[in-house]
Formats: sequence, structure tokens, C-alpha cells
Amino acid sequence: QEQLVESGGGVVQPGTSLRLSCAASGFAFASSSMDWVRQAPGKGLYWVAFISRDGGIKSYDDSVKGRFTISRDNSKNTLFLEMSSLRLEDSAIYYCARDGEGDSLDYWGQGTLVTVSS
Amino acid sequence: SYVLTQPPSVSVAPGQTARISCGGANIGRKSVSWYQQRPGQAPILVIYYHGGRPSGIPERFSGSNSGNTASLTIIRVEAGDEADYYCQVWDTDSAHRVFGGGTKLTVL
Repeated sequence: QEQLVESGGGVVQPGTSLRLSCAASGFAFASSSMDWVRQAPGKGLYWVAFISRDGGIKSYDDSVKGRFTISRDNSKNTLFLEMSSLRLEDSAIYYCARDGEGDSLDYWGQGTLVTVSS
Repeated sequence: SYVLTQPPSVSVAPGQTARISCGGANIGRKSVSWYQQRPGQAPILVIYYHGGRPSGIPERFSGSNSGNTASLTIIRVEAGDEADYYCQVWDTDSAHRVFGGGTKLTVL
């Protein structure tokens, strides 16, 4: 049973940093590209970042480029999102998701809530 | 950047057919995925590539894609289908994943 479990969310002040983790199980994590997607309260889904299977290719939405870093540890089946210089508008539920067939995201975690507030 | 446009809402009576559109420039050349998100839950994939359905997704759900419009069709709509639906593509030009704004499906 494929499972993704996010952690690391919380309430932080603007300008600070936070590291999210996503623990994968039930599938070959090292063979899967992964993404982070976020959803602000009452809003739609917004893609944040992508990382290839071996971590050699990364891509970011322009709104987070230079502030967020996606990474992975295939030996620990874990995906990360290092967030720095956090802004109020970064407040959202952050989901990790596995890349599936046809450029889809076929498995999603339940999300972790990040609240940036002064 | 690539933009996907969805209607904010669609309403349908139980047993009828719901169609949700997703507009984008030459979207017919792209692989379109559709996600269902019920309130308080994570999204789930319901359609991928050219109409593929993941295991567990009813045959009532289907997808089509041509020209500048992709569509999600749900036949024999049930109360449990009430949710937000999002289309999504991978834009190769920017190497970005793009989501539509979402459509709230209301079952009357």
C-alpha cells in the first residue's frame, strides 16, 4: 500500500525557515520522481517544486525559486522541502505527491499545514 | 507561463451527466490529469493521460482532450461525486506543473 506522510509544518514568523519532510512507503521511492504542491486556505492547488528520481533535476515555481529547496534521501525514502525567507502568502497545506503515468500525480499525502504569521 | 482555465462551478442533478472543461492553448497536445478533492481531504487522481483511470476509480469517470479544451465527464452523477475538481498538465516549455483553478461540482 503506497503511503506518503508529511511532517514538519507549524506556525512560524515571516522571514524564518522551516523544513518539511515526506516519508514514503509501499513503493519504490528511489524509482519515483516527486513533487510538492500547496493549497492556501479556501484556494486551489498550486505546484511548488519537482525533483527527479536521483535528485539531479529540480524545478520550482517562480514564487518560491531561490527561497525553497527540494531534496530527497533515497536511502531513507524521504522527500524534503527546505523553506526559507517565509512570507505570509506561503501559508498553506503542503502536500507531497508521487509522479505517475502521463505527467500525473498518482499518490498524495494528507498534507502538513504551514502558517506564517507575525 | 501556461494557463489552464476552468469554470468555477458546475451543478447537476443526481443521475445526470456532469461535464467540466479545462481550457489551455493547444492542450490537446498535452497529457491532462484530473483530480477530485473532497472537503478536508487530499486530492486523488481520477483521470490521467488520454483518459486512463487509476484502480478504484469508477467507469463513470472519463476524460477527453482535443484542440484547446480538455473535459472531465461524469455520468450517472451521485451525491458522493460532489467535490472540487482540478485539471493539470506538465508544461514542457517552462518545466512547470500547472493546475487549473478548480471547479466545484454541486449535486443538486
